[in-house]
Amino acid sequence: NAGVTQTPKFRVLKTGQSMTLLCAQDMNHEYMYWYRQDPGMGLRLIHYSVGEGTTAKGEVPDGYNVSRLKKQNFLLGLESAAPSQTSVYFCASRRQGYQPQHFGDGTRLSIL
Amino acid sequence: DQQVKQNSPSLSVQEGRISILNCDYTNSMFDYFLWYKKYPAEGPTFLISISSIKDKNEDGRFTVFLNKSAKHLSLHIVPSQPGDSAVYFCAASASSNTGKLIFGQGTTLQVKP
Repeated sequence: NAGVTQTPKFRVLKTGQSMTLLCAQDMNHEYMYWYRQDPGMGLRLIHYSVGEGTTAKGEVPDGYNVSRLKKQNFLLGLESAAPSQTSVYFCASRRQGYQPQHFGDGTRLSIL
Repeated sequence: DQQVKQNSPSLSVQEGRISILNCDYTNSMFDYFLWYKKYPAEGPTFLISISSIKDKNEDGRFTVFLNKSAKHLSLHIVPSQPGDSAVYFCAASASSNTGKLIFGQGTTLQVKP
């Protein structure tokens, strides 16, 4: 049982390049989330999805886009990467109701 | 405006003693609170949660206390073990419909043998 799997684990980009981070969950969870974590700070919500085909903005959505075409996958895209987007990105999923989110192990992204 | 705050960046305790991690919040709409533990190079792992209708929840060595009037929650670990050394995040949610979480900055716990 893999839980939440994030791909890739590490990536280095140049400013202006684009890329997509993939999150896959095998728990049949309705809800999925993308967070970023920066030094000395907690996790901040970028975008989230309450079901297949739906997405919504979180606290820090600028510069990111997301898509949830399949229930098990949640993609985070950077169209034109900026150094300020250097961070560790975490994906999470959860069931309906008052349930905890389950996290992947993160993608460490550096933008030069 | 930081809605969830962990004012102690770090805490060091002796093995076998109690660890108390604290968290304050400002949003009175929060109705579900969670604690996560995070090791380096791993994702946060859920530890324990509490809803706003309770003031205490216990799971093994971990107990979470909620004081709604003070907008304060705490995590007690008894007895502390070296394997508990990690970063601990508190988080809060104001809606089970979205499940969005607001995280504190984290407290690094070191348990010394």
